Amino acid sequence: SQKIEQNSEALNIQEGKTATLTCNYTNYSPAYLQWYRQDPGRGPVFLLLIRENEKEKRKERLKVTFDTTLKQSLFHITASQPADSATYLCALSSGNTPLVFGKGTRLSVIA
Amino acid sequence: GAGVSQSPSNKVTEKGKDVELRCDPISGHTALYWYRQSLGQGLEFLIYFQGNSAPDKSGLPSDRFSAERTGGSVSTLTIQRTQQEDSAVYLCASSSGLGRNNEQFFGPGTRLTVL
Repeated sequence: SQKIEQNSEALNIQEGKTATLTCNYTNYSPAYLQWYRQDPGRGPVFLLLIRENEKEKRKERLKVTFDTTLKQSLFHITASQPADSATYLCALSSGNTPLVFGKGTRLSVIA
Repeated sequence: GAGVSQSPSNKVTEKGKDVELRCDPISGHTALYWYRQSLGQGLEFLIYFQGNSAPDKSGLPSDRFSAERTGGSVSTLTIQRTQQEDSAVYLCASSSGLGRNNEQFFGPGTRLTVL
């Protein structure tokens, strides 16, 4: 069966450091992976999409990598700020199927 | 432009009553999704619509849950004979197509409390 694991429930880092969040998956082929941010009391907001044939995507201070051999995506926030504190969700689809979301990682950036 | 809207934003009901939750997707979005999120938990997928059709209803937690979409636009999620374990935030999302390359736009959710 298809599984998505975000193996850290919570991550605390100091302001200015790089935060790295992990998303592992099984049985998604092809795999289309998206990352979302969710703030308390709000719906998730789309950040980045990466396709199976792409190894890396960047957007401002965000970088996503995709390793289809390891079946893993890493989500990096460089020069992290307290405003980056939120829950980050990865989500996968294979082709024309709905996205399925991981449980998320709660990131706290401490000033 | 308007995003996804949901109503009501909060609903408190008594156990055993029926509730109806509404979602207005972004105009022109053909795909619409319902999720449930319990406190501190991830998103639980319930059902999706492609147009007015719901190809897979297996995510609905029980036969007390039903959903419909009319005119390829507004969707309602109905929970009959509510139970306390139905208490959660119900999120709706829409996208211009299904899965793959299409980002989902989420509404603010309806917080349901069953007393």
